[in-house]
Amino acid sequence: EAQVTQNPRYLITVTGKKLTVTCSQNMNHEYMSWYRQDPGLGLRQIYYSMNVEVTDKGDVPEGYKVSRKEKRNFPLILESPSPNQTSLYFCASSFDGKANEKLFFGSGTQLSVL
Amino acid sequence: AQSVTQPDIHITVSEGASLELRCNYSYGATPYLFWYVQSPGQGLQLLLKYFSGDTLVQGIKGFEAEFKRSQSSFNLRKPSVHWSDAAEYFCAVGAWGAGNMLTFGGGTRLMVKP
Repeated sequence: EAQVTQNPRYLITVTGKKLTVTCSQNMNHEYMSWYRQDPGLGLRQIYYSMNVEVTDKGDVPEGYKVSRKEKRNFPLILESPSPNQTSLYFCASSFDGKANEKLFFGSGTQLSVL
Repeated sequence: AQSVTQPDIHITVSEGASLELRCNYSYGATPYLFWYVQSPGQGLQLLLKYFSGDTLVQGIKGFEAEFKRSQSSFNLRKPSVHWSDAAEYFCAVGAWGAGNMLTFGGGTRLMVKP
């Protein structure tokens, strides 16, 4: 089954403790992206990747890192989480990132930073 | 830069009633327009999309949307709402550019009364 898999589903952590949220897709998609969802703000893009070893900032990249060493994986790294990064995070992918393409989303990761 | 406004944060309708969710966008050229739905605990799923041609587009689950260039709107409609339609709905605009492919509205949460 074609899917985007995120882990973990829920995560509670404390300020400053490094964490990684994993994302994997099995559709051989070139494009992958991370979004955060906050009430009333919709989804805002954090980082995206057009291909292996190619990443770039989205609208709200501060406090986040990503890497794309393999086509299928696109982990989101919070090196020193802060409470304002408490949010619902989504990974998404598409074939090659054109503006008219459908995005496939993971089920989300609810992160709480205490 | 493009932007999307969904004026209604919450909407409640009775089961069997008609539904219209509003979406207004701002973009300098012909936009690519999308509606996504997020069911509780799930990722986003594409309902429908508009690129060109017929301004009334049909989607999955009995939804349709109409593109009105003069009003910069792309409202989502359904003639008869089912209880399973309760979810959050996001309008998005896609624009050509390096990777920041979609801009989402703030979302409209739909509640369905029995």
